[in-house]
Amino acid sequence: SAVISQKPSRDICQRGTSLTIQCQVDSQVTMMFWYRQQPGQSLTLIATANQGSEATYESGFVIDKFPISRPNLTFSTLTVSNMSPEDSSIYLCSVPTGSGSYEQYFGPGTRLTVT
Amino acid sequence: AQSVTQLDSQVPVFEEAPVELRCNYSSSVSVYLFWYVQYPNQGLQLLLKYLSGSTLVESINGFEAEFNKSQTSFHLRKPSVHISDTAEYFCAVSDQRNTDKLIFGTGTRLQVFP
Repeated sequence: SAVISQKPSRDICQRGTSLTIQCQVDSQVTMMFWYRQQPGQSLTLIATANQGSEATYESGFVIDKFPISRPNLTFSTLTVSNMSPEDSSIYLCSVPTGSGSYEQYFGPGTRLTVT
Repeated sequence: AQSVTQLDSQVPVFEEAPVELRCNYSSSVSVYLFWYVQYPNQGLQLLLKYLSGSTLVESINGFEAEFNKSQTSFHLRKPSVHISDTAEYFCAVSDQRNTDKLIFGTGTRLQVFP
């Protein structure tokens, strides 16, 4: 199994500012995923981050708002830019388990509150 | 496109009582089905999954779920719950042709009381 850590675990930010969330995996993985969990709602995939290429964003999410970096096979960052209260959510990264298992390992999440 | 519905946002039960958490999905293609659990202050972890074969799948801690294709359901059950089962439970599906993308339901909070 993969062990995933995220930093920060939580933060309170002012509107208009940006926050960068880090995701570290203890093994090399080709794909990493970023999800958002808004209060009372389901997890929604923001983007898929592959090492060596630009991230692929899902409908409703754009690079200018959620720029992603993937400098190597164990690390990724998600930036939430020009934040508004609507960005208050839990942000999670995940990686596929591989080997035909089809599920994903998730990080502990970053709880973001925008005031 | 797929979607997942978890009708019950909260399910309160007493310890040792049976419980069923409902999950229905909508999809025009074949899917894989998952239940994830999030214990307080912890990350999401896989509880059980259905990929193929027997429609009844079990977890190591006594939960089971049955894939019902005709009713497009994947309800989670446990005959006798423990306090430690208190958690948020998420049902999820993925397209068998594109397994990278998980579609989640809104979650059901199971609260077990002594």
